[in-house]
Amino acid sequence: GNSVTQMEGPVTLSEEAFLTINCTYTATGYPSLFWYVQYPGEGLQLLLKATKADDKGSNKGFEATYRKETTSFHLEKGSVQVSDSAVYFCALSDRDGGFKTIFGAGTRLFVKA
Amino acid sequence: DTEVTQTPKHLVMGMTNKKSLKCEQHMGHRAMYWYKQKAKKPPELMFVYSYEKLSINESVPSRFSPECPNSSLLNLHLHALQPEDSALYLCASSQDHGGGTQYFGPGTRLLVL
Repeated sequence: GNSVTQMEGPVTLSEEAFLTINCTYTATGYPSLFWYVQYPGEGLQLLLKATKADDKGSNKGFEATYRKETTSFHLEKGSVQVSDSAVYFCALSDRDGGFKTIFGAGTRLFVKA
Repeated sequence: DTEVTQTPKHLVMGMTNKKSLKCEQHMGHRAMYWYKQKAKKPPELMFVYSYEKLSINESVPSRFSPECPNSSLLNLHLHALQPEDSALYLCASSQDHGGGTQYFGPGTRLLVL
């Protein structure tokens, strides 16, 4: 079945540091890939997505590239801010999985001033 | 308007109570979802409604009863819950149940005593 594996947290960084959160997936079909972010006390919101191989999703300085050859969708940001402190979920959805969204375990990010 | 609203924000109930959670969206989305999220875990899918019909029930206990009165509203009726059902209940919607972006509400934080 489909699955998503993302790096364990928490990740603690200083402001303006470079961020990478690794995400790899297993899927029988051709999934769409997502990064969702959950700020404290809130629901999830879409950060970025990519629907086919080599697509790059980007938003708010965050980027992720759909790499089919390595089945990865790593999240990066060049310079994090305190306001980026949140939990980040990598996710996938595809037809073979009945379009159910499969979430990774989540990675908590703390950014210190 | 890209907002999904949920009421109430917080709910405390005893094991013999009956209560309902409500969710509303006005984006014209035809798929709506209920998720359960325990602390420090990803959301777990409970139910999917597609075009106002229940299309997925992830083997959820019958003490949880979903209802979709129309395309904008989704309810979750609760009866005889257990303390282990305490969690954040998230509602989400998407254009259709075809693997696209899901828009999440802020959730209802439920405590069962």
